[in-house]
Amino acid sequence: QSALTQPPSVSGSPGQSITISCTGTSSDVGGYNYVSWYQQHPGKAPKLMIYDVTNRPSGVSNRFSGSKSGNTASLTISGLQAEDEADYYCSSYTSTPGWVFGGGTKLTVL
Amino acid sequence: QVQLVESGGDLVKPGGSLRLSCAASGFTFSDYYINWIRQAPGKGLEWVSYISRGGSTIYYADSVKGRFTISRDNAKNSLYLQLNSLRAEDTAVYYCATLNAEKAFDIWGQGTMVTVSS
Repeated sequence: QSALTQPPSVSGSPGQSITISCTGTSSDVGGYNYVSWYQQHPGKAPKLMIYDVTNRPSGVSNRFSGSKSGNTASLTISGLQAEDEADYYCSSYTSTPGWVFGGGTKLTVL
Repeated sequence: QVQLVESGGDLVKPGGSLRLSCAASGFTFSDYYINWIRQAPGKGLEWVSYISRGGSTIYYADSVKGRFTISRDNAKNSLYLQLNSLRAEDTAVYYCATLNAEKAFDIWGQGTMVTVSS
């Protein structure tokens, strides 16, 4: 199972919005709405930010939103804050069955 | 509080074996599907294995199939991963994580480090 494709890095200034893409295939992202996004700060465990493409767990800021079109899912962070600087990973359930992650995107808040 | 704590990580030689454990507390362990996920140093996340609530359904990533074995003991609120025939590329932090109804990994442990080197 090949990893989902994410840009290695994105950046934005405080207050701006950024979007991270996550491209898979019809066997994973395109075939299911089981796409999730994780935030990971250095040396810490990942944290679930978005599940089922668009849903936020309790406690996650509404500045984080998700969407999907075809085989590509996206995470948008609006009103960027310094604390958002982290690595972000997408994940999808697959037809294998199993799960696949994206390669990760490093977000830099300028 | 809800918590997963991994243990058992160590330095092991190529071809060696290791058993990782994940202890759960603060929730009804037997109600949850649970997974192992790993992260090589400086690299991304890789899903490793899944086990159903009762242990009857198990999945593995191709990279570990035939070498790793996942199991659980609901009476002890514990998850295990037996790692055999270890390779340098198995070097990683190993996390256990619960799976919610929407197939997302919602509770994570802090991870345990496995280093495979001669």
